[in-house]
Amino acid sequence: GENVEQHPSTLSVQEGDSAVIKCTYSDSASNYFPWYKQELGKGPQLIIDIRSNVGEKKDQRIAVTLNKTAKHFSLHITETQPEDSAVYFCAASISGVGNQFYFGTGTSLTVIP
Amino acid sequence: EAEVAQSPRYKITEKSQAVAFWCDPISGHATLYWYRQILGQGPELLVQFQDESVVDDSQLPKDRFSAERLKGVDSTLKIQPAELGDSAMYLCASSIPGDSPLHFGNGTRLTVT
Repeated sequence: GENVEQHPSTLSVQEGDSAVIKCTYSDSASNYFPWYKQELGKGPQLIIDIRSNVGEKKDQRIAVTLNKTAKHFSLHITETQPEDSAVYFCAASISGVGNQFYFGTGTSLTVIP
Repeated sequence: EAEVAQSPRYKITEKSQAVAFWCDPISGHATLYWYRQILGQGPELLVQFQDESVVDDSQLPKDRFSAERLKGVDSTLKIQPAELGDSAMYLCASSIPGDSPLHFGNGTRLTVT
């Protein structure tokens, strides 16, 4: 099955700096890649997603890039704010195969004011 | 915005007791998932339903775990008997078929003593 690896496991940045989280996947059939933000005591919430026919997607301070050849995708957060502090998960999915999602192990982001 | 409802939010039980968790997905979402999330790790799929049918329960410890979605709407996950290693967050998610994201509830935090 699909294997998703995520790095780093922890990340601390100064407020206003950028944060980058990277994920790799193993199954070239994966074609949908969502990113989730999980705050303490809550379920993961979707923040951005990208499909395999797109190389980059941006939504305000958040962007995701996808390199299908290398089988890796990254989350970029610019102008970080303290409220960005949370655990971030990447996921990979193969559309049409029961929509199964495979998650990375998470990155704990701390934005220092 | 519609949400996935889960109850209870917290559950403390003694080992060998039975516990049950309930999930009400977003209206119209045919696919329902139960995930287990151990602290510091990503969600791991336990069972996936398409309407009332089980699509994947390969990772469900069937000697003690059971799940049902009798009318294809809400779902119940049961553990009997609970073991210390079952302490985790149990997340329910729902989605529509295709390249669509999972929508998670806020989970049930289970502590087995």
